[in-house]
Amino acid sequence: ETGVTQTPRHLVMGMTNKKSLKCEQHLGHNAMYWYKQSAKKPLELMFVYSLEERVENNSVPSRFSPECPNSSHLFLHLHTLQPEDSALYLCASSPQIPSTDTQYFGPGTRLTVL
Amino acid sequence: LAKTTQPISMDSYEGQEVNITCSHNNIATNDYITWYQQFPSQGPRFIIQGYKTKVTNEVASLFIPADRKSSTLSLPRVSLSDTAVYYCLPDTGRRALTFGSGTRLQVQP
Repeated sequence: ETGVTQTPRHLVMGMTNKKSLKCEQHLGHNAMYWYKQSAKKPLELMFVYSLEERVENNSVPSRFSPECPNSSHLFLHLHTLQPEDSALYLCASSPQIPSTDTQYFGPGTRLTVL
Repeated sequence: LAKTTQPISMDSYEGQEVNITCSHNNIATNDYITWYQQFPSQGPRFIIQGYKTKVTNEVASLFIPADRKSSTLSLPRVSLSDTAVYYCLPDTGRRALTFGSGTRLQVQP
């Protein structure tokens, strides 16, 4: 248990569906992140938030829409996804932004797009 | 940005010491090197971080030679539960971690 929770743990959706992934951290951190991990690929950074402000968007398609209503919660809204978007989506948090701060990862959401 | 090279995979047996070496260029004197561990279908977990010649904690040691072009993660007396992917992450100065392919460690009984 790292103090970062993600729901749902598993999600199956069609290409026309709209769904949202939720992340919550109980560590009092100021920075939150979304990563994508496809099969046999390294983790890819998607978005970075600092104090609810998006500070990095790593060329992610617009069908992924992040939302950070407060420093404890992070959402990833999904719409009109493609089968190649099937992956493990990981949320992480850290005290501050610099990459030297230890990041605490959630268990991930395993997404399957049919 | 520092580019890292790690072995794709390693095999070991229970009770052995495992050393995983990561090569990295363009790393500055005070840049940290961080190692993470990832089990299947889980998020990565911090193992150890340092920039000095040697850092040790309750689970691992990190050795960094004087030229700082590489670092070695040392896992003493591995067990089956140490089977995982291990990532070497030099400080890139970016806002977040840049993960490579990591080293897949398989520990056999």
